[in-house]
Amino acid sequence: DVVMTQSPLSLPVTLGQPASISCRSSQSLVYSDGNTYLNWFQQRPGQSPRRLIYKVSNRDSGVPDRFSGSGSGTDFTLKISRVEAEDVGVYYCMQGTHWPGTFGQGTKVEIK
Amino acid sequence: EVQVVESGGGLVQPGGSLRLSCATSGFTFTTYSMTWVRQAPGKGLEWVANIKQDGSEKSYVGSVKGRFTISRDNAKNSLYLQMNSLRAEDTAVYYCASGRNLETWGQGTLVTVSS
Repeated sequence: DVVMTQSPLSLPVTLGQPASISCRSSQSLVYSDGNTYLNWFQQRPGQSPRRLIYKVSNRDSGVPDRFSGSGSGTDFTLKISRVEAEDVGVYYCMQGTHWPGTFGQGTKVEIK
Repeated sequence: EVQVVESGGGLVQPGGSLRLSCATSGFTFTTYSMTWVRQAPGKGLEWVANIKQDGSEKSYVGSVKGRFTISRDNAKNSLYLQMNSLRAEDTAVYYCASGRNLETWGQGTLVTVSS
């Protein structure tokens, strides 16, 4: 299985400041159709996960534009331009290129 | 409005069986593969099984292969997970999600395997 490695696992941030989460895969995530199926999910405390970003950099409907995704091949990043209180939670990267889909360990974002 | 609602969780003894259901609405169910994902208490997310749009192909993570069966009823816009020979390590919240890339999630249903 493809191993997804996130860092850091814990991210204390100051309100209004930027935050960045790294995700690395053990194999290239470029699929045979040319797309890269790397997704980012947010799980707020006590809630179900919610997809934020699909195919590396595409924001899902309703996702604030302070969230952005970038990267290619095996190296990806989720950035929050200015952290707000509602962004507290755990963030997961997930690859859907190879079977089975696999998740990173999760990064817990909290306010300092 | 897109809705995904899981049901069927509960307490079951080791070796027992349980059938989870996932009712969907607000999107064209027949155009999406569907996926079950689980989350053990206090842990991360694990992909469990996926079924293609017409039910012709089903895939499972190794730890559940031979014990779990995913199915769907396109006439009812519903997804199912039959879980047999349950083990303590299957204890988790089980989520139903649309597509291989998990576009929309339900609220989850808790399965507890314990004597």
